[in-house]
Amino acid sequence: DVKVTQSSRYLVKRTGEKVFLECVQDMDHENMFWYRQDPGLGLRLIYFSYDVKMKEKGDIPEGYSVSREKKERFSLILESASTNQTSMYLCASRALTGSGYTFGSGTRLTVV
Amino acid sequence: EDQVTQSPEALRLQEGESSSLNCSYTVSGLRGLFWYRQDPGKGPEFLFTLYSAGEEKEKERLKATLTKKESFLHITAPKPEDSATYLCAVGNTGRRALTFGSGTRLQVQP
Repeated sequence: DVKVTQSSRYLVKRTGEKVFLECVQDMDHENMFWYRQDPGLGLRLIYFSYDVKMKEKGDIPEGYSVSREKKERFSLILESASTNQTSMYLCASRALTGSGYTFGSGTRLTVV
Repeated sequence: EDQVTQSPEALRLQEGESSSLNCSYTVSGLRGLFWYRQDPGKGPEFLFTLYSAGEEKEKERLKATLTKKESFLHITAPKPEDSATYLCAVGNTGRRALTFGSGTRLQVQP
């Protein structure tokens, strides 16, 4: 069964910490995405990557960076965590631009 | 800018009471309309893709339809296990990422 795996289901971090969220897919997909999901705001695109070492900003990139050193792995980095980054983070991958996403199970991040 | 609006925000049905969820969209070049189901605390799960007006897809008690401006997710004789948030998203020929609506939270009571 094809999968997108996010390394943590729940994380609690302190303000100012550097936080790494990891995502791995086993489908050889070119495109990978990071979204955050907040009540009433839906899914908002943070960053995406269309190839190894290639990345583009989404709609809300401020305070985040990403890394894609290998095709199967896409990391989201919170450089200095803040309480307004408390959210559900969803990783997704996609083979072709006409196809849908496969999502991971999500990481619920709480910044205290 | 692509926009996706879902209505209603929340819907409560009795078991067996059929209804429809709406997804209205504006997109410069539609490259697929996608429906997902999301259970609490989990990632969205793919349901359907529709590519052109008039297309319909079915899966168990769910049927998705598409026009040039909106899509409907029809739920026939729902069961409590159909309770979830249903998300709609559109693809654009000029963008790699999908644009999502805020979802409809469906609760089916026994």
